[in-house]
Amino acid sequence: EVQLVESGGVVVQPGGSLRLSCAASGFTFDDYTMHWVRQAPGKGLEWVSLISWDGGSTYYADSVKGRFTISRDNSKNSLYLQMNSLRTEDTALYYCAKEAAAGRGDFDYWGQGTLVTVSS
Amino acid sequence: QSVLTQPPSASGTPGQRVTISCSGSSSNIGSNYVYWYQQLPGTAPKLLIYRNNQRPSGVPDRFSGSKSGTSASLAISGLRSEDEADYYCAAWDDSLSGHVFGTGTKVTVL
Repeated sequence: EVQLVESGGVVVQPGGSLRLSCAASGFTFDDYTMHWVRQAPGKGLEWVSLISWDGGSTYYADSVKGRFTISRDNSKNSLYLQMNSLRTEDTALYYCAKEAAAGRGDFDYWGQGTLVTVSS
Repeated sequence: QSVLTQPPSASGTPGQRVTISCSGSSSNIGSNYVYWYQQLPGTAPKLLIYRNNQRPSGVPDRFSGSKSGTSASLAISGLRSEDEADYYCAAWDDSLSGHVFGTGTKVTVL
């Protein structure tokens, strides 16, 4: 059974930093592109970032470019999101998601999310 | 801001057909596949449609997707109470070099 379990969400002050983690199991982690998607309270979905199976390619939403860094450790079946210079508008539930297949672009499994609150 | 536009709400009675539109541009829907996700209250999104009109295993054939030009739509036929949820379209955007989601549509079963 595929499982994605996010962790690391806390309350942090504006300008602070945080690292989110996503532990994957039930599939061959290093075969798949992985994504982070966020959802502000009561709002819609916003794609944040993706990383290719080998970490060689990364993409970011304009809203987080230069502040967030996505990475992965295939030996640990883990995905990460380093978040720096946090702003109040980064407050959201952060989901990690698995891409269904190489180049397909859809997300077939999602975690339950970890809540990041940026507030003074 | 979302670059894919959806109506904020849609509704129908049980058994009816409901259609949700998703309007984009040449850099996203016009040149890439469209995906649809269902988000039930308090849960993570679930993939409903991929590659414009394909259903993953386990998704009822009451759900169907289509695409024409820079727009796409999701149809739910034989509406059921358990279909009450938020629905999002998504696509890759070549100009942004990233995925984009629609604004979301809340479906209510009357």
